[in-house]
Amino acid sequence: SQTIHQWPATLVQPVGSPLSLECTVEGTSNPNLYWYRQAAGRGLQLLFYSVGIGQISSEVPQNLSASRPQDRQFILSSKKLLLSDSGFYLCAWLPQGAWGYTFGSGTRLTVV
Amino acid sequence: GDSVTQMEGPVTLSEEAFLTINCTYTATGYPSLFWYVQYPGEGLQLLLKATKADDKGSNKGFEATYRKETTSFHLEKGSVQVSDSAVYFCALLGGGSYIPTFGRGTSLIVHP
Repeated sequence: SQTIHQWPATLVQPVGSPLSLECTVEGTSNPNLYWYRQAAGRGLQLLFYSVGIGQISSEVPQNLSASRPQDRQFILSSKKLLLSDSGFYLCAWLPQGAWGYTFGSGTRLTVV
Repeated sequence: GDSVTQMEGPVTLSEEAFLTINCTYTATGYPSLFWYVQYPGEGLQLLLKATKADDKGSNKGFEATYRKETTSFHLEKGSVQVSDSAVYFCALLGGGSYIPTFGRGTSLIVHP
């Protein structure tokens, strides 16, 4: 079956510390993968998307980066977190030829 | 570019009341339309979809009809339950695109 995994579920990190959030999909190949951020009380903001290994498109310039080291793995990183990086991060997958996203369960990041 | 406009929330209803959440869109061509639901602390789940004009998507008692003449995809449910309390997102995916456009979300609160 096709599934998407995202971890950790919650994370509390100090300002200036690094970040690594991981997302993996199973049961498919060459998926389109996405990272979104959802700030409290606000809508979804597309951060990065990837249509293949090593291919990353950035939608919003900021303190974050993304990498896709393997076909079914998508990583969101930061070298030094800011308070404004707090939020709910969602990984999503759009299967080839599919009609809608499948989202991961999300990571609640609090930068203190 | 493509855009999705949802009614402002929160929408507050009593149990068994009728629900309508308005969604209108602007897009070129013939997009596919979606409603996603996000329960507290979770990722988004696809609720229903419609891929062409006059299609009706339905799931879990929710319905939405793709109205090309009014560029709308309003979400309705005849009798809401407390468990329907969540944030609802309207979205579109343009033909040939792999980046959906989301509305800002509408929070629904259902009281017993």
